[in-house]
Amino acid sequence: GENVEQHPSTLSVQEGDSAVIKCTYSDSASNYFPWYKQELGKRPQLIIDIRSNVGEKKDQRIAVTLNKTAKHFSLHITETQPEDSAVYFCAPPPGTYKYIFGTGTRLKVLA
Amino acid sequence: DTAVSQTPKYLVTQMGNDKSIKCEQNLGHDTMYWYKQDSKKFLKIMFSYNNKELIINETVPNRFSPKSPDKAHLNLHINSLELGDSAVYFCASSQVKDMVGGYTFGSGTRLTVV
Repeated sequence: GENVEQHPSTLSVQEGDSAVIKCTYSDSASNYFPWYKQELGKRPQLIIDIRSNVGEKKDQRIAVTLNKTAKHFSLHITETQPEDSAVYFCAPPPGTYKYIFGTGTRLKVLA
Repeated sequence: DTAVSQTPKYLVTQMGNDKSIKCEQNLGHDTMYWYKQDSKKFLKIMFSYNNKELIINETVPNRFSPKSPDKAHLNLHINSLELGDSAVYFCASSQVKDMVGGYTFGSGTRLTVV
């Protein structure tokens, strides 16, 4: 079946610290691993993604790492800023026509 | 130009009414979706359409009827609205080939049933 879990469900960090969110999935057919950011009252937006033939990808302060054997991938945010405060979702697609979204992680960056 | 546009943005209605939400995308994507986001922020897929064909119906009550007149439009009609239908409904689109690029979401429709 399709099961996607995120940990932690809430995370508070001091501005400038790093934040790590982990996503665990069950479907081994997944080969594309995106992370979305949803600010309060706004739509989810794709912020970074990785394909299964790559172990890590970085884009400025954010990075995604993948461990396909263990079926998890993580979002890393360094030098956090107040504008990073949002809900973050992972969404590995188990099949061709749908994404199952993770349970979400509420990140608060304290100034 | 808005890539995925939904209307209306807010919808307040009484129980038992029928309402529709419209969605249009100008990205040339071949697949469109409806997601429901509840008060705890869980995002659950409802429907998926590929080139106007229904591909996924995730055990949604048949009071919900999607319609896709062409691959750029996916509307959602809801009959006999119930209190539990209150949520934010997001339309999204993607290009299914390779499943790369993820979703582009609309701005959401906040439905409140009173």
